[in-house]
Formats: sequence, structure tokens, C-alpha cells
Amino acid sequence: GDSVTQMEGPVTLSEEAFLTINCTYTATGYPSLFWYVQYPGEGLQLLLKATKADDKGSNKGFEATYRKETTSFHLEKGSVQVSDSAVYFCALGGTGGFKTIFGAGTRLFVKA
Amino acid sequence: DTEVTQTPKHLVMGMTNKKSLKCEQHMGHRAMYWYKQKAKKPPELMFVYSYEKLSINESVPSRFSPECPNSSLLNLHLHALQPEDSALYLCASSRPGDGYTFGSGTRLTVV
Repeated sequence: GDSVTQMEGPVTLSEEAFLTINCTYTATGYPSLFWYVQYPGEGLQLLLKATKADDKGSNKGFEATYRKETTSFHLEKGSVQVSDSAVYFCALGGTGGFKTIFGAGTRLFVKA
Repeated sequence: DTEVTQTPKHLVMGMTNKKSLKCEQHMGHRAMYWYKQKAKKPPELMFVYSYEKLSINESVPSRFSPECPNSSLLNLHLHALQPEDSALYLCASSRPGDGYTFGSGTRLTVV
């Protein structure tokens, strides 16, 4: 079945460091791919998405490119801030459009 | 309006109580979802409503009973819960195949 694998955390970075959170997927067909962020005590927020191969999603300085050849959707940011500390979930839009599959989540800590 | 509103934010209930969680959205999304999230885990899908009809039930125990009174509202009725049901309950809505808009959740504690 479809699945999503994320790098295990926690990831600890200093402010202004470069961030990469790896995400790979297994899917039949051509799913949409998403990154969600969850700040402490809150629900998830959609951070960015890509709907087809080679699409690049971007938002708030974060980027991810839908790579069909490597079945990956890695999240990157050039310079992280303390306020980026959160849990990041990679997700795959299931067939039929209603069932999203979430990765296990990666916790990011950014130190001042 | 680009929000999903959930009430209450916190709920403590006994194992014999009946309570309801409420969710509201005014984005015109015709798919609405209930998720359960335990600490340090991803959300787990419970129910999906599409056009006010239940389309997915992920084998959730009958002590959880969803209801979709109209296209903007989604309820989750709770009865005779167990302590292991304590979790963050998240409501979300979307267009089919699109990303979700989540509410901030109801943190439920069963005592």
C-alpha cells in the first residue's frame, strides 16, 4: 500500500542554519504531496504542496520539489529561525482524494 | 473565512459521561474529517464525510459517533470512553484531493 517515510528526529539546528528534512514515498498512481507543520499546542497547518512530478511547492521560505524518479519530497529552508521550531509532517494524498497518509513527523528545534 | 473552528478547546470527561465535540467551517469545503492524535504521533484518520455523507469509517469503536448536520458543521459524539481515548481530536476540511485546513483541536482527557 501507499506509505510515507520521514527522517527521524529530533533535528537540532542553530538559527540561520540550512534545513533539510527528508521524505520518501511509495504510491501507485500520481498522488499529490504535502508538508504540514504543527506548532506546540496547535493543530496542523498546510505548509506547501505539489501536485505533479517536478512541481516545486514553496511557502514562508520553505521549499520542496516533487521528484518522481527518486520518489522524494524533501523539505528545505535556507535559513531557519527560532520560530520554525515545530513538528513537520510529510503527507501523501491518497487515491480517491479523501485519505491522506501522514509520515511519522520530524521534530525541529532551532536554537538562538 | 479560511478557518476551521473547534469547540471546546479542552474537555475532561468521566467514563460514564456523554459529550460532543463540534467543528465548523465556512470555506465551502465538501469533505470534512475527524482525526485522533496521540502525543508525538501523526494524526490517525477516524471518519471522512463527503457531501454530508459518511464515506470512510476507519473501524472506530462505536463509542465514537460522528454526525454531519449540514455542509458547514461536523460533530463527534462521545459516550462511555476509556482512558486510552485521551488524545487531541482534530477536525479538518478540504476540497477532494486538496490539502487540509485543520482546526486547533480539542484536547480530551478521560478520567
